[in-house]
Amino acid sequence: EVQVVESGGGLVKPGGSVRLSCAASGFTFSSYSMNWVRQAPGKGLEWVSCIGGRSNYIYYADSVKGRFTVSRDNAKNSLYLQMNSLRPDDTAVYYCARDRSEADASGNYVNHFDSWGQGTLVTVSS
Amino acid sequence: DIQMTQSPSSLSASVGDRVTITCRASQSISGYLNWYQQKPGKAPNLLIFAASSLQNGVPSRFSGSGSGTDFTLTISSLHPEDFATYYCQQSYTTLYTFGQGTKLEIK
Repeated sequence: EVQVVESGGGLVKPGGSVRLSCAASGFTFSSYSMNWVRQAPGKGLEWVSCIGGRSNYIYYADSVKGRFTVSRDNAKNSLYLQMNSLRPDDTAVYYCARDRSEADASGNYVNHFDSWGQGTLVTVSS
Repeated sequence: DIQMTQSPSSLSASVGDRVTITCRASQSISGYLNWYQQKPGKAPNLLIFAASSLQNGVPSRFSGSGSGTDFTLTISSLHPEDFATYYCQQSYTTLYTFGQGTKLEIK
């Protein structure tokens, strides 16, 4: 069974740092890109970052670029998000999600997030 | 970045109703459009990918259509468990973006 489980959230002061982890199981981790998605309390989903299966590419949303760093350790089947210079508006549940590329009826490969963790809450407050 | 706009933002309907949610992209995204369902306190769940392909295990009352900039998610006959928030997402670029969500409530 495919499973991803986040950890590392908690209460952090503005300007502080925290490192989130995502433990994956049930699939060949290195074969999949992985993403972080966040959701502020009562708000919608916001994509945060994507990392290729071999860390061969990395992308960030503008809202976190320069402050957050995504990484992975394929030997440990783990994904990480280092979050620095945290602000109150970074308060959110952070989800990790597996990125699967699958062909549509026309043979075009379309990426989508087919497995999600339960999320870990990061609260930035003094 | 590509902006995704859903309408309506909220919708009241009854069990058995047919419901349609619309998603519009700020530029053409071909068929690179996915739909997710999220229930309170839970992670999102993939319903449809590539605009119209039903994810394994998702009931056939869910369907998607569209291409380019305009897309729809249709639930043919609402079941009680379908009351949730629905999000579209573009994957035309890896700077993925979601719509703001449509909350489907019981009338």
